[in-house]
Amino acid sequence: DIQMTQSPSSLSASVGDRVTITCRSSQSISNYLNWYQQKPGKPPNLLIYAASSLQSGVPSRFSGSGSGTGFTLTINSLQPEDFATYYCQQTYSIPLTFGGGTKVEIK
Amino acid sequence: QVQLEQSGAEVKKPGASVKVSCKASGYTFTTYYMHWVRQAPGQGLEWMGVINPSGGSTHYSQNFQGRVTMTRDTSTSTVYMELSSLRSEDTAVYYCARRKNSGFDYWGQGTLVTVSS
Repeated sequence: DIQMTQSPSSLSASVGDRVTITCRSSQSISNYLNWYQQKPGKPPNLLIYAASSLQSGVPSRFSGSGSGTGFTLTINSLQPEDFATYYCQQTYSIPLTFGGGTKVEIK
Repeated sequence: QVQLEQSGAEVKKPGASVKVSCKASGYTFTTYYMHWVRQAPGQGLEWMGVINPSGGSTHYSQNFQGRVTMTRDTSTSTVYMELSSLRSEDTAVYYCARRKNSGFDYWGQGTLVTVSS
């Protein structure tokens, strides 16, 4: 199974900050990496697919980069509605696996 | 618009089975694979398996092999996930999710399954 490791597991940031979350896979997954945002009591929401493609309807302050084993989600100018938990996911091979999550909290 | 409507919350005793449904609408049901993901209280996301709504083929996570069965009914555009031999650790919210391209672009609202004696 491919292990997905996210860091940090949590962070505190202020509105307007730039936030970077990292995800590493235990083996190369090409660009089969997705990012989700989840708020309490809601299902995850797809932000970025194929490592760097912005899902329709997602604000342009979200961006993704990377390939192989290292990936990054960047949120430019953090907004109040961005405080949530973020997950990476590999869809390169079954079993599909998720990172452990990064909780973004208000400083 | 695309919608995935899941069945309601369930309370089950240890050893019982639960069957959760996910009714798709707003798109051609057989075009996209449907996945199941669960989330225990306060925990992360765990992939359970996938079904091809067109042919009915399935792939399950080894973590659930032998206990999970995914089926579909093309006449009603509904997929089902049945989990047997329930234990307390299976208490979680269960989601269906459609895969388009690389990611899961639509999710059901979630079904809480509580396993308690």
